[in-house]
Amino acid sequence: GENVEQHPSTLSVQEGDSAVIKCTYSDSASNYFPWYKQELGKRPQLIIDIRSNVGEKKDQRIAVTLNKTAKHFSLHITETQPEDSAVYFCAANNAGNMLTFGGGTRLMVKP
Amino acid sequence: NAGVTQTPKFQVLKTGQSMTLQCAQDMNHNSMYWYRQDPGMGLRLIYYSASEGTTDKGEVPNGYNVSRLNKREFSLRLESAAPSQTSVYFCASSEASGLYEQYFGPGTRLTVT
Repeated sequence: GENVEQHPSTLSVQEGDSAVIKCTYSDSASNYFPWYKQELGKRPQLIIDIRSNVGEKKDQRIAVTLNKTAKHFSLHITETQPEDSAVYFCAANNAGNMLTFGGGTRLMVKP
Repeated sequence: NAGVTQTPKFQVLKTGQSMTLQCAQDMNHNSMYWYRQDPGMGLRLIYYSASEGTTDKGEVPNGYNVSRLNKREFSLRLESAAPSQTSVYFCASSEASGLYEQYFGPGTRLTVT
């Protein structure tokens, strides 16, 4: 089945710096790659997703890039703010069209 | 709209006890899911229901059963709780399975002693 690995597990940046989280997946048939943000004690919420027919997608300060040949995708957050502090999860769809999630990255933005 | 709701919010069980976690959505979604979240392991799919009347096993189904009661409600049952089932449980729903946003409930924190 699908295997999704996410790095790093923790990331600390200074406010205003950029943050990059990377994920790799194993199933070459995967074609949907969402990113979810989970604030402390809250539910995960979708922040951005990308489908395999595009290589990059942006939404204000966040962007996702996809390299299907290498089977990896990344989340980029620019001009980080304290409210970006959260756990971020990447995911990829598997053969049954369900999502397999990465292990999560705890992002801490220091003011 | 309330979105996805779950009950209870917290539960403590003794080993061997049973319980049912309830989930409901008011977005007229076809697909519903149960995940468990453990530290460092992300969200793992327990069971899902692609549409009313169907249920299928996910990645970690052992020790659990589910019922898709109707289009709105999807329950998760632990027949004989074990300490390894201590976790945070999330229900989610989406318009359909596949390339659609999943909306999560607030979660149930379960401790089995």
